[in-house]
Amino acid sequence: GAVVSQHPSWVICKSGTSVKIECRSLDFQATTMFWYRQFPKQSLMLMATSNEGSKATYEQGVEKDKFLINHASLTLSTLTVTSAHPEDSSFYICSASDRGNTEAFFGQGTRLTVV
Amino acid sequence: AQSVAQPEDQVNVAEGNPLTVKCTYSVSGNPYLFWYVQYPNRGLQFLLKYITGDNLVKGSYGFEAEFNKSQTSFHLKKPSALVSDSALYFCAVRDIRNTGGFKTIFGAGTRLFVKA
Repeated sequence: GAVVSQHPSWVICKSGTSVKIECRSLDFQATTMFWYRQFPKQSLMLMATSNEGSKATYEQGVEKDKFLINHASLTLSTLTVTSAHPEDSSFYICSASDRGNTEAFFGQGTRLTVV
Repeated sequence: AQSVAQPEDQVNVAEGNPLTVKCTYSVSGNPYLFWYVQYPNRGLQFLLKYITGDNLVKGSYGFEAEFNKSQTSFHLKKPSALVSDSALYFCAVRDIRNTGGFKTIFGAGTRLFVKA
């Protein structure tokens, strides 16, 4: 299957700082990328959907100004957690697909810890 | 709305015995169904998918799943469980309608414990 690379794998940051997570499709053009959040022992909750070159569509309850998503190219989307707080600590996973794909392909996830 | 239900939080099975992890779905139109496995602090690993065709789908690591349209189920199965199969399993459905945004929606997950 296609490869999606997420970076970094883990990050620790101080409260109040911002953290950027990258999601890259390595061998295909991703017209759509998705960002998920997973709390310990829970399912993946979709945060937002981003289409290349347009604004992201956020799920209900997700703060747009806190979780900034950029999808400037067909191979890269970024999620920036702004003014991070300890409650933002979580596992963030991206996925990417082209409309021709029957499935979306997932990155390996990023463990964010805010101290 | 598309949704997926995994009725069991946890499944316990002895090594060598067959295992089943249950999943039911609710979709508009034809379902695109998936199973993923997740090990601690790791991302998702794709196991198998049903798009169309044979109702019995074979996937990675000896897993298979049976699509049952009348029961709207897509249970994951393996004839002989291994201790190394112990992990968190997610059933998922992909909304392929334009209005659905092509999202993949996940079930709550089922933790599988295989005892030696």
